[in-house]
Amino acid sequence: KAGVTQTPRYLIKTRGQQVTLSCSPISGHRSVSWYQQTPGQGLQFLFEYFSETQRNKGNFPGRFSGRQFSNSRSEMNVSTLELGDSALYLCASSSAGANTEAFFGQGTRLTVV
Amino acid sequence: AQSVTQLDSQVPVFEEAPVELRCNYSSSVSVYLFWYVQYPNQGLQLLLKYLSGSTLVKGINGFEAEFNKSQTSFHLRKPSVHISDTAEYFCAVSKNQAGTALIFGKGTTLSVSS
Repeated sequence: KAGVTQTPRYLIKTRGQQVTLSCSPISGHRSVSWYQQTPGQGLQFLFEYFSETQRNKGNFPGRFSGRQFSNSRSEMNVSTLELGDSALYLCASSSAGANTEAFFGQGTRLTVV
Repeated sequence: AQSVTQLDSQVPVFEEAPVELRCNYSSSVSVYLFWYVQYPNQGLQLLLKYLSGSTLVKGINGFEAEFNKSQTSFHLRKPSVHISDTAEYFCAVSKNQAGTALIFGKGTTLSVSS
């Protein structure tokens, strides 16, 4: 079956702009988690959505937001971009059951100039 | 709150040698433990996880890890590494068994040379 799909794969934005990233989970998965990966801070948890509701949230400013649609696809939005937002953004989907795992997409590489 | 510390940022090793990547964690609640691998320009792949039961967990690609509750550690081991094991390895914890909302360590770069 198809894996987790993130679009776009690469993105270049200017400081102050906003950006929306998309994540299509594996069919049947209702949980989507987002992560930011940078060389300095490593992998940091942003938020998790389950059945259209934010279930967990990491320690990021309010400029970072997300949502999940009824088909489980998720978007994350970053407003007023800063240079430090340059990162690889990964999403992971899961069916959230006991005998399952989270599957990661290949990520969106965001560069803020 | 949970935190994960990977004690080595880089581990160089020769092919066919054994390797151990160290991971300690801290949590005020019960957590489940995971090891992920990331190859260059790719997403993360689950190597293994500890949910309960036997403290020695076997995963893919010949890796295994041992959960030690008293030392709050979850070290990853492989008895004989290959060049293809060169990658970044992440230890993580989650409050749920499915491994959502993961809290990661900073990662360990394993470099295998011939």
